[in-house]
Amino acid sequence: KAGVTQTPRYLIKTRGQQVTLSCSPISGHRSVSWYQQTPGQGLQFLFEYFSETQRNKGNFPGRFSGRQFSNSRSEMNVSTLELGDSALYLCASSASGSRQETQYFGPGTRLLVL
Amino acid sequence: GDSVTQMEGPVTLSEEAFLTINCTYTATGYPSLFWYVQYPGEGLQLLLKATKADDKGSNKGFEATYRKETTSFHLEKGSVQVSDSAVYFCALIAGGYNKLIFGAGTRLAVHP
Repeated sequence: KAGVTQTPRYLIKTRGQQVTLSCSPISGHRSVSWYQQTPGQGLQFLFEYFSETQRNKGNFPGRFSGRQFSNSRSEMNVSTLELGDSALYLCASSASGSRQETQYFGPGTRLLVL
Repeated sequence: GDSVTQMEGPVTLSEEAFLTINCTYTATGYPSLFWYVQYPGEGLQLLLKATKADDKGSNKGFEATYRKETTSFHLEKGSVQVSDSAVYFCALIAGGYNKLIFGAGTRLAVHP
């Protein structure tokens, strides 16, 4: 079974631009979560989607948004990029989002904002 | 709010040494507890988990026991290898769907 895939793996943008990251979950998984990893703030939860609905959201500004498609693939968008948005963005999937389940992580998209 | 505190690194050990990485948590109710590992340039991999008090998670020689009385989930391994060099994250889910709350991570370096 293929793992979680994320595209692109690396991205360079300039301040003010917007960016879209993509995540394909493990086949059969319907829950997708997104996390931001930075040296200063560590790993922080962005949001979680299940069956195309956002069920949970972290403490990030409205510039960060996401969506999920009927095939469970998910995208996150960051508008009006700031230097502080430079980070590794990780996506994780699980079957239903139950807290007893294992979340499987993708390799991440490394975003650099110049 | 819910939080995880883990010992600061880096932890530097010789091969075959005993490893302990301390992790304590603050959470309402009965969280599920996890240890994830991150190798350089990669995403996170689940190492082990425990979903209720007194459960012991184990995998690849690593163990951790869910201790509700001390709100702890310390990671141990009897004999580390160079290949165990990585960053280890303790994490919990206390309520909302799939919202993992992570500790700051502990970098482990194992030398031959």
